[in-house]
Amino acid sequence: EAQVTQNPRYLITVTGKKLTVTCSQNMNHEYMSWYRQDPGLGLRQIYYSMNVEVTDKGDVPEGYKVSRKEKRNFPLILESPSPNQTSLYFCASSEGPAGEQQYFGPGTRLTVT
Amino acid sequence: GQQVMQIPQYQHVQEGEDFTTYCNSSTTLSNIQWYKQRPGGHPVFLIQLVKSGEVKKQKRLTFQFGEAKKNSSLHITATQTTDVGTYFCAGPGTNAGKSTFGDGTTLTVKP
Repeated sequence: EAQVTQNPRYLITVTGKKLTVTCSQNMNHEYMSWYRQDPGLGLRQIYYSMNVEVTDKGDVPEGYKVSRKEKRNFPLILESPSPNQTSLYFCASSEGPAGEQQYFGPGTRLTVT
Repeated sequence: GQQVMQIPQYQHVQEGEDFTTYCNSSTTLSNIQWYKQRPGGHPVFLIQLVKSGEVKKQKRLTFQFGEAKKNSSLHITATQTTDVGTYFCAGPGTNAGKSTFGDGTTLTVKP
């Protein structure tokens, strides 16, 4: 079954404690993205990747890092989480550029206290 | 930078009534996509529009892309409770991989 998986699905952490949210897709897609979703603000792109070792900033990259060492995986790293990063995070992948259909993971709800 | 705006933010309808959400971009789009997110779920792709003036239908859903390729709409005829959710439009950015979503329209349907 074609899918995008994220882990963990829920995470409560404290300010400053480094964390990683994993994302994996089994569709051999070139493009992957991370979004955060906040009430009233829709989906905002954090980072995206066009292929292995090729990443670029989205609209809200501050406080986040990503890496793309393998085609299927695109982890999101918060080196020093802060409360304003409390949000719902989605990973997505697509066969082509962002104009193509994106497949979203189930989401990770992060709370930073 | 590119902005994509959607109105209304919320829409409450009685089951059987029609519903429309509008999407406006600050720049011309090469294409536009529509997604639906059920409560507690993740966005799911509905459709992509590419051509100026394009109209596509999916059962009770009608999607339009404006002539200038800067606006789009989604119209649902005779809403059902299964239509509940948030509808997003999305457009590609200037860089491959960049994507901008509208803020979404949340539809609630009263039985």
